[in-house]
Amino acid sequence: DQQVKQNSPSLSVQEGRISILNCDYTNSMFDYFLWYKKYPAEGPTFLISISSIKDKNEDGRFTVFLNKSAKHLSLHIVPSQPGDSAVYFCAASGSNDYKLSFGAGTTVTVRA
Amino acid sequence: NAGVTQTPKFQVLKTGQSMTLQCAQDMNHNSMYWYRQDPGMGLRLIYYSASEGTTDKGEVPNGYNVSRLNKREFSLRLESAAPSQTSVYFCASSEDRRNSNQPQHFGDGTRLSIL
Repeated sequence: DQQVKQNSPSLSVQEGRISILNCDYTNSMFDYFLWYKKYPAEGPTFLISISSIKDKNEDGRFTVFLNKSAKHLSLHIVPSQPGDSAVYFCAASGSNDYKLSFGAGTTVTVRA
Repeated sequence: NAGVTQTPKFQVLKTGQSMTLQCAQDMNHNSMYWYRQDPGMGLRLIYYSASEGTTDKGEVPNGYNVSRLNKREFSLRLESAAPSQTSVYFCASSEDRRNSNQPQHFGDGTRLSIL
């Protein structure tokens, strides 16, 4: 049973607008959350992370929000750029856990 | 700065053949991982090595074996390939997760087709 779910397989957004990607998790032991970006024929690259002691983390155009009570996190990309077109994976792990649980991914397409 | 290097990048096998996927990292990381990615399922952990000399099963270990050859290298072996093992395989490495929240770094993958 998937413990991390990304319910939107795809998202299309106009260049310059905001992209919002959502992720839900079921395991209350998760305390570290990450977003990865993946281009075709390449491996996932780390984008941004957040610890459960925070509810927001920002890095340039990328902001991740965590709502622990709802077991929900989101990634905001503002403004969206053509180079942001990729697959985005949400991932999570628990304390002292080496393993990451991944969502199925959301394909983002930024239209010019 | 190579990061995580996987070989080969592509491979086609016949059912029943054996194959070893190689992975090496140059970041002096303690932990290494093997994942497979299938359409609509994200990445699933096959095996991991928390540190040199240790290996543990992940979510989908059946049909695979691993060897942590040294701190740099972690190989994945398919002893008797099956069509269900057709997938893209990713190797990753990270610092010891218990000490700090460090992300995993991934290679570019091996695309494996089993006929």
